[in-house]
Amino acid sequence: DVQLVESGGGLVQPGGSLRLSCAASGFTFSGYEMNWVRQAPGEGLEWVSYIFSSGNTIYYADSVKGRFTISRDNAKNSLYLQMNSLRAEDTAVYYCAREAAGPPYYMDVWGKGTTVTVSS
Amino acid sequence: QSVLTQPPSVSGAPGQRVTISCTGSSSIIGAGYDVHWYQQLPGTAPKLLIYGNSNRPSGVPDRFSGSKSGTSASLAITGLQAEDEADYYCQSYDSSLSGYVFGTGTKVTVL
Repeated sequence: DVQLVESGGGLVQPGGSLRLSCAASGFTFSGYEMNWVRQAPGEGLEWVSYIFSSGNTIYYADSVKGRFTISRDNAKNSLYLQMNSLRAEDTAVYYCAREAAGPPYYMDVWGKGTTVTVSS
Repeated sequence: QSVLTQPPSVSGAPGQRVTISCTGSSSIIGAGYDVHWYQQLPGTAPKLLIYGNSNRPSGVPDRFSGSKSGTSASLAITGLQAEDEADYYCQSYDSSLSGYVFGTGTKVTVL
């Protein structure tokens, strides 16, 4: 089965850092572009970041640019999100999502999410 | 801030038809980018419901249909069922951001 499993969430103080991981299985991870999407408590979905299959093209939402870094290790079938200078407004469930092969641009497989809480 | 606007809520009785609109700008939907729809059941991750404006992934009932016209798109649910009670989000691409945009989300309630 195609599966994405996020980990690494937790409680962190404002200004702190956290690294999220997403383990992929059931498909050729190196052939797919990947994304992080988050959802604040009681709010809607917000796209966070994108990485090309080889890792050589990356995009970020303005809300996280300069603070978050997306990366991947195709040998380990894993996606990462390094989050620095965390703020209360970064509190959310973070989902790892696979981008469907080729245009149009949408996400066809989602993980169950990992919760990040930024609070003192 | 989402640039795709959806009604906060819609409701209908079992068996009825409901529609959810997704209105965007000329730089997104109007620029020719496709619209996709996701269903999020309570306490779960989003699930792809419609892709490429009107296509259903394998396993999605044909009660769900999508369309796009101009700067807006719509999701229709016919023969509404209790298990359709969920949040629904549209999604497209914004070339000015080089990123994805989601709609504000619509909660569907089955009366």
